[in-house]
Amino acid sequence: NAGVMQNPRHLVRRRGQEARLRCSPVKGHSHVYWYRQLPEEGLKFMVYLQKENIIDESGMPKERFSAEFPKEGPSILRIQQVVRGDSAAYFCASSFQPGQGTKAFFGQGTRLTVV
Amino acid sequence: DQQVKQNSPSLSVQEGRISILNCDYTNSMFDYFLWYKKYPAEGPTFLISISSIKDKNEDGRFTVFLNKSAKHLSLHIVPSQPGDSAVYFCAASGNSGGSNYKLTFGKGTLLTVNP
Repeated sequence: NAGVMQNPRHLVRRRGQEARLRCSPVKGHSHVYWYRQLPEEGLKFMVYLQKENIIDESGMPKERFSAEFPKEGPSILRIQQVVRGDSAAYFCASSFQPGQGTKAFFGQGTRLTVV
Repeated sequence: DQQVKQNSPSLSVQEGRISILNCDYTNSMFDYFLWYKKYPAEGPTFLISISSIKDKNEDGRFTVFLNKSAKHLSLHIVPSQPGDSAVYFCAASGNSGGSNYKLTFGKGTLLTVNP
């Protein structure tokens, strides 16, 4: 049962380093959504990508954060020059139909800790 | 600005009794509501949903009620089982700005079902 696979599950970075979070969607899904959960908070939408296209990045911080979903390979969420406030759980979800965030399947998340 | 609110951070019930989890929303453009269940170190798992054209949806032990005039929904679990112990997130989606693929989550309610 190949669901949404995220790796690494846990990532520790020092302040100023780069963090790369990977998400392999369910086989056949070409729509990916990234969410961030800060401590004691709900999940917050960051970005919606189709293969090779960013559809909506309205939830992404304007600086240091970027996302891609190349034609081949997983979706990548990249955080440059991490700060302590980036410590959170990052969840990826995927759907078959475009824009079907309500029918998306979530991965297990990557827990980023910035020390 | 918390558009989806779950005002009870935690709830404890006895096995076999009813669990009622509540959720309020402020955005009138939301037209689809979902409940997710989340275990520690796992991703959210879809539980049940309801469209704004309905006021009730039932699936086995789980029933969601929607009161549009009060902008309130609730999840009923009966009978509650120890395996139901998890964090429950309320989420909403709608045509707010045309982004109907974007989920807005509450902060979650930790349900503990005691044997």
